[in-house]
Amino acid sequence: IVLTQSPGTLSLSPGDTATLSCGASQTVNNNYLAWYQQKPGQAPRLLIYGASSRATGIPDRFSGSGSGTDFTLTVSRLEPEDFAVYCCQQYGSLPYTFGQGTKLEIK
Amino acid sequence: QVQLVQSGAEVKKPGASVKVSCKASGYTFTTYSIHWVRQAPGRRLEWVGWINAGNGDTRYSQNLQGRVTFTTDTSATTAYIEVTSLTSEDTAIYYCARGAASTLWGQGTLVTVSS
Repeated sequence: IVLTQSPGTLSLSPGDTATLSCGASQTVNNNYLAWYQQKPGQAPRLLIYGASSRATGIPDRFSGSGSGTDFTLTVSRLEPEDFAVYCCQQYGSLPYTFGQGTKLEIK
Repeated sequence: QVQLVQSGAEVKKPGASVKVSCKASGYTFTTYSIHWVRQAPGRRLEWVGWINAGNGDTRYSQNLQGRVTFTTDTSATTAYIEVTSLTSEDTAIYYCARGAASTLWGQGTLVTVSS
């Protein structure tokens, strides 16, 4: 399953709302779609699993939605620490695959 | 505390092999699978495969099938990935992670393949 994320780069200001998309080439089984945040030199950090469930300790500013082949990560009230790369992963079918990432940068 | 700690950076010549370790602590090692993910410079994350730490069952990405082997030492609560016949395309940060959609990742191990 090929995951395609859009946009490639998103330029926003603190306090704005970010909407990131992840499209799958085939249906993601059981909506097993995760979102990660990655900062330079760090391992990915799980934000959302099962398309819409927040991982432990993740602020409710982060929300996931969607099903089938179209998924969205919304980050509300952007904080300075939210500016990073975000990628999606499907883990419903082997081989598990990742999207190419969306870079969220400060405008 | 609950953590995965990986071995240090490696520099290898083309054609060589590399073995990276992932030491688990703070949880029952055999209860979870260990997944391996790599990220080449400027590229997206790539799932390499997983090993069931309880029974040793493995799944490998077809991209590396035949060149990659996962093993575990349950007494040492450590998982290993070995990649053989290295090429420059294998230059990447290799991560271990607990489970598929994982909150627990190792810090990453940079493997550089260069002549």
